[in-house]
Amino acid sequence: EIVLTQSPATLSLSPGERATLSCRASQNVYNYLAWYQQKPGQAPRLLIYVASNRATGIPARFSGSGSGTDFTLTISSLEPEDFAVYYCQQRSNWRYTFGQGTKLEIK
Amino acid sequence: EVQLVESGGGLVQPGRSLRLSCAASGFSFDDYAMHWVRQTPGKGLEWVSGISWNSGSIGYADSVKGRFTISRDNAKNSLYLQINSLRAEDTALYYCAKDKDSYGWSGTDMDVWGQGTTVTVSS
Repeated sequence: EIVLTQSPATLSLSPGERATLSCRASQNVYNYLAWYQQKPGQAPRLLIYVASNRATGIPARFSGSGSGTDFTLTISSLEPEDFAVYYCQQRSNWRYTFGQGTKLEIK
Repeated sequence: EVQLVESGGGLVQPGRSLRLSCAASGFSFDDYAMHWVRQTPGKGLEWVSGISWNSGSIGYADSVKGRFTISRDNAKNSLYLQINSLRAEDTALYYCAKDKDSYGWSGTDMDVWGQGTTVTVSS
């Protein structure tokens, strides 16, 4: 099973700051890496697919990069509504795993 | 509006069975693969199972293989998850999710999620 390790576990920042979240895979996942945002009491929301493509309706301040085993989600300038938990997810032929999540909290 | 509504969860004794349902609306259900994903406070998000648009390709997580069965009825715009031999570790919030790409054979990413149905396994 491919293990995804997200870091940091918690990130404390202020609105307007830049956020950089990391996801490392235990083996090559090529670019089959997605990012989701989840707020309390809500289902996950797809932000980024295939490493760097924004999903429909996702603001341009969200960007994804990376390939192989190292991936990054960047939020260029944090808005109040961006404080949430972020998960990365890889897929390969009906094999999916999620990272353990990074909680982005207000400093 | 694209919508997924799960139902069928509840409190169940270990060893019993349960059938979860997901009603889809607002999109061409029979064009898309579908998934079940569960979430627990301790283990986070776990993909459980997926099924292609025409039921020709199905996948399961190793943790549920042999006990869970996914199915769909395209005429009823509905997705199902039959859960047998329930265990305490199956306790979770179960989400239904839609595949992002149409006619996917082995699943892609999940762009629409329901609000989930809670399964609690306890005696």
